[in-house]
Amino acid sequence: AQSVAQPEDQVNVAEGNPLTVKCTYSVSGNPYLFWYVQYPNRGLQFLLKYITGDNLVKGSYGFEAEFNKSQTSFHLKKPSALVSDSALYFCAVGAGNMLTFGGGTRLMVKP
Amino acid sequence: DADVTQTPRNRITKTGKRIMLECSQTKGHDRMYWYRQDPGLGLRLIYYSFDVKDINKGEISDGYSVSRQAQAKFSLSLESAIPNQTALYFCATSEGTSGIETQYFGPGTRLLVL
Repeated sequence: AQSVAQPEDQVNVAEGNPLTVKCTYSVSGNPYLFWYVQYPNRGLQFLLKYITGDNLVKGSYGFEAEFNKSQTSFHLKKPSALVSDSALYFCAVGAGNMLTFGGGTRLMVKP
Repeated sequence: DADVTQTPRNRITKTGKRIMLECSQTKGHDRMYWYRQDPGLGLRLIYYSFDVKDINKGEISDGYSVSRQAQAKFSLSLESAIPNQTALYFCATSEGTSGIETQYFGPGTRLLVL
């Protein structure tokens, strides 16, 4: 069975600084990896995904994620954080046509 | 995503009551899903349907049932609600044409069972 770990419940960063939200996964076979974001009182919105190819995946709102097979990680990054990036972020791994989500990381960007 | 709608958005009910949550989509997707979200646990899959005639249990199906009335409609029922079913419930859809597809989520239903 697949699993996802998001080791940080919350990440705090100052506006303008780079941000990283960590994700590690466990899955048999080739991983399909996703990042979603949830704003207050909203559903999850798709940010980006890795299926195959380039290890650096670019997504919406300036976010990117780096797939590292040896470390089984898929960390979400952004070069310069905005206050509006404050939200709950979920990493997910897909296998067997199913998605398994991590517990979520709350990102707080302070002015 | 406005293409996936859920009703009601908020619901308070009492222990033992039957309740139905409804999901509709205009994306034309074959696959539909029901998840619940609990703090710190992320989203957990309750049921999923790959087409109108295909219903499958997810990770936490006990105490829940579903109905796929049409390609566009997928309902979740709690036959006899209990307090630990208090959660945020999400419906999602995906195209499902090949492998793992991006899932698109509704705005959620916040359920409180007293």
